[in-house]
Amino acid sequence: EDQVTQSPEALRLQEGESSSLNCSYTVSGLRGLFWYRQDPGKGPEFLFTLYSAGEEKEKERLKATLTKKESFLHITAPKPEDSATYLCAVQGNFNKFYFGSGTKLNVKP
Amino acid sequence: EPEVTQTPSHQVTQMGQEVILRCVPISNHLYFYWYRQILGQKVEFLVSFYNNEISEKSEIFDDQFSVERPDGSNFTLKIRSTKLEDSAMYFCASIPPATTREQYFGPGTRLTVT
Repeated sequence: EDQVTQSPEALRLQEGESSSLNCSYTVSGLRGLFWYRQDPGKGPEFLFTLYSAGEEKEKERLKATLTKKESFLHITAPKPEDSATYLCAVQGNFNKFYFGSGTKLNVKP
Repeated sequence: EPEVTQTPSHQVTQMGQEVILRCVPISNHLYFYWYRQILGQKVEFLVSFYNNEISEKSEIFDDQFSVERPDGSNFTLKIRSTKLEDSAMYFCASIPPATTREQYFGPGTRLTVT
């Protein structure tokens, strides 16, 4: 069964303190791995799509990488406005998406 | 910038009642989805819809659920006989044509079953 596990569940950083979030997955026929940001009480907001091992995508302070078993979301010099829950999702062979439980990031000034 | 919209933002209903959650996806999008998120838990896939029919559905999406795209703009989720455990945030999402399959999510409908 397709499965996504994210770690840590929660992460507290000081402003400027870089770190990484992990997403490990098992899926039949990976068609894409997706990162989203979710603010409290809102719908997920798309960040990145990764398709194959070795691929990397960057946007401002965020960089996503992909291997055959996991993906990392690297946050460089985070700011308080980066505080949110970061969700990882995968699409396998079919038109359905599996989400992880997310990492709740809190960046203190 | 176009957005996915959902109504109502909050729905309170009694157990056993029927509810209809409404979504207006972005106009040129082709794939449509419903998800639910129970408070503090993960976003769970319910159903995908393409070309006016269900594409995939999860084990959660049993006979009490149905979806429709009645008029080419609205996309609805009907829950026929609500249970306490149906209380959750329900999100609609859509995917534009020929893209990286990023989903655009609506703001959600919070369903409370009493």
